Amino acid sequence: KNQVEQSPQSLIILEGKNCTLQCNYTVSPFSNLRWYKQDTGRGPVSLTIMTFSENTKSNGRYTATLDADTKQSSLHITASQLSDSASYICVVSRDSNYQLIWGAGTKLIIKP
Amino acid sequence: KAGVTQTPRYLIKTRGQQVTLSCSPISGHRSVSWYQQTPGQGLQFLFEYFSETQRNKGNFPGRFSGRQFSNSRSEMNVSTLELGDSALYLCASSFHGPGNTIYFGEGSWLTVV
Repeated sequence: KNQVEQSPQSLIILEGKNCTLQCNYTVSPFSNLRWYKQDTGRGPVSLTIMTFSENTKSNGRYTATLDADTKQSSLHITASQLSDSASYICVVSRDSNYQLIWGAGTKLIIKP
Repeated sequence: KAGVTQTPRYLIKTRGQQVTLSCSPISGHRSVSWYQQTPGQGLQFLFEYFSETQRNKGNFPGRFSGRQFSNSRSEMNVSTLELGDSALYLCASSFHGPGNTIYFGEGSWLTVV
């Protein structure tokens, strides 16, 4: 079954700290993996998109990693800011029919 | 370059009514997808249109329908509204389909009372 699982479900950290969010997937055939940031009540915004051959991709303070062998990805946030408070969603694209498999997201709260 | 525009932003409907939501994609984008997001839940795929044709469909009842016009603008319709249809409905557009980067609108908040 094609699934994307994210952990933790929610996370609270202090401003300025780093954190890492996890994504495990069982999607096949694999096309690419994306991370989205969704502020409450708004549409998701793309952070990174990685193909099979890419191990790491950065977007400012956000760094995503991909291990296609173990089917795991992580999103590392450095020096967190209050504006990082949001849900972070991992999405895997299947190669065959452009189907996107969405994770349930990790709700991140940054406290001052 | 204008982003994905969804209207209306907020609406309240009564159970049993129908509703139509509109989405204008980014200029040049031919693929439009619709998603439902209920509070605390992940995005649920409704359907995807490309060049006026429905290309993919999620697991939603027939009360949920959509269409795409020749200018790539899209509408989705929900008939015989139920309380459980209360959700944020998101539209996303891309050049060729979900295999490319997709861009979301701000969504339409539907409340069914």
